[in-house]
Amino acid sequence: AQSVTQPDIHITVSEGASLELRCNYSYGATPYLFWYVQSPGQGLQLLLKYFSGDTLVQGIKGFEAEFKRSQSSFNLRKPSVHWSDAAEYFCAVGNQAGTALIFGKGTTLSVSS
Amino acid sequence: DTAVSQTPKYLVTQMGNDKSIKCEQNLGHDTMYWYKQDSKKFLKIMFSYNNKELIINETVPNRFSPKSPDKAHLNLHINSLELGDSAVYFCASNAVGGLGTDTQYFGPGTRLTVL
Repeated sequence: AQSVTQPDIHITVSEGASLELRCNYSYGATPYLFWYVQSPGQGLQLLLKYFSGDTLVQGIKGFEAEFKRSQSSFNLRKPSVHWSDAAEYFCAVGNQAGTALIFGKGTTLSVSS
Repeated sequence: DTAVSQTPKYLVTQMGNDKSIKCEQNLGHDTMYWYKQDSKKFLKIMFSYNNKELIINETVPNRFSPKSPDKAHLNLHINSLELGDSAVYFCASNAVGGLGTDTQYFGPGTRLTVL
């Protein structure tokens, strides 16, 4: 079955500390992988995506993610978290046919001062 | 200019009513979607249209009926609203085919509250 797992429901990090949000997927076809962020009361904003090529991808707001096929993972990282990064983060998988995305259940990020 | 827009942003209504949510995209995309985000923030696909043709129709009550008058618009009509329909509904769109064109762009969402 196709699925996305985000093992961490809620993570709290101190401002300035590094961050890693985990994402594992199960997908029959070549996966197209995405990270979206949702601020409170807002829509979904694309942080970054991976289709092919370099397995380390850079996104907006200083985020990066690394695709590891052997581990079926696409973890999101940021070296230094800012208070404005507090939000809900969703990992999603799709494919080249442009089918609907399958989302993980999200990870809530809180930032402490 | 807003790429994917939805109206209304908030919708509060009584059980049993019929309501519609509208979505428009000005990106020239040919595929549009409706997703539902439940109270636990889980996002799940409801429908997908490609060039006004229904492509995906997940297990959704037939009280929900999408309509696409043209490829820039995808509306969602809900009949006989129930308490369980309370959720945030997101519209999204993307172009299909070719590297980098499969990114879905989301609207701001419509928060539906059924009383």
